[in-house]
Amino acid sequence: QKEVEQDPGPLSVPEGAIVSLNCTYSNSAFQYFMWYRQYSRKGPELLMYTYSSGNKEDGRFTAQVDKSSKYISLFIRDSQPSDSATYLCAMKLVRSLVGGTSYGKLTFGQGTILTVHP
Amino acid sequence: DADVTQTPRNRITKTGKRIMLECSQTKGHDRMYWYRQDPGLGLRLIYYSFDVKDINKGEISDGYSVSRQAQAKFSLSLESAIPNQTALYFCATSDLRAREIDEQFFGPGTRLTVL
Repeated sequence: QKEVEQDPGPLSVPEGAIVSLNCTYSNSAFQYFMWYRQYSRKGPELLMYTYSSGNKEDGRFTAQVDKSSKYISLFIRDSQPSDSATYLCAMKLVRSLVGGTSYGKLTFGQGTILTVHP
Repeated sequence: DADVTQTPRNRITKTGKRIMLECSQTKGHDRMYWYRQDPGLGLRLIYYSFDVKDINKGEISDGYSVSRQAQAKFSLSLESAIPNQTALYFCATSDLRAREIDEQFFGPGTRLTVL
């Protein structure tokens, strides 16, 4: 079983729809939860992150973490064609020491391909 | 603009050939990473480096090697390429001084095809 599971989609929605993207995970030690957005032929870029449980809102985007269920979500309100991209969840343990240096390895989900059509 | 660049952007090669993918960054970050991305598998870490003298294996390092020539340069080599190394390869950087999130900044990727 993968540590992080994400439905790859693809997901196709009309402009203005509310989009829900989700990931589940198995490692209860994850403490940082991130969403990266990847446009076609580009590298991923960090969209939002949360620490531990709770919600975080940034404009049309809301990230939720439910640690009791080991489930995280990204909601996009009033979706736009410019939101069309692959969305990857990523998770990280609290920093641990590797060779004396603090490091937090990222574990990524498989990515969900989202298309918002006009 | 501070940036992470990768060369080449696309490469087609044959089984058994030696290939080098290069990454340069102008962000001044000390940490650099190499990932591969495959459909249905997401991003998987190949190698990472915290400074010029520090190289660490990731989860899928077999068949790959790396060289950190300078703080700003991190190369990935496939000594003898095989078809299942066909993938999209990304270089990333992060800043040791970013205490909490350790955000990683990705290059544009190299699409490698091994025939």
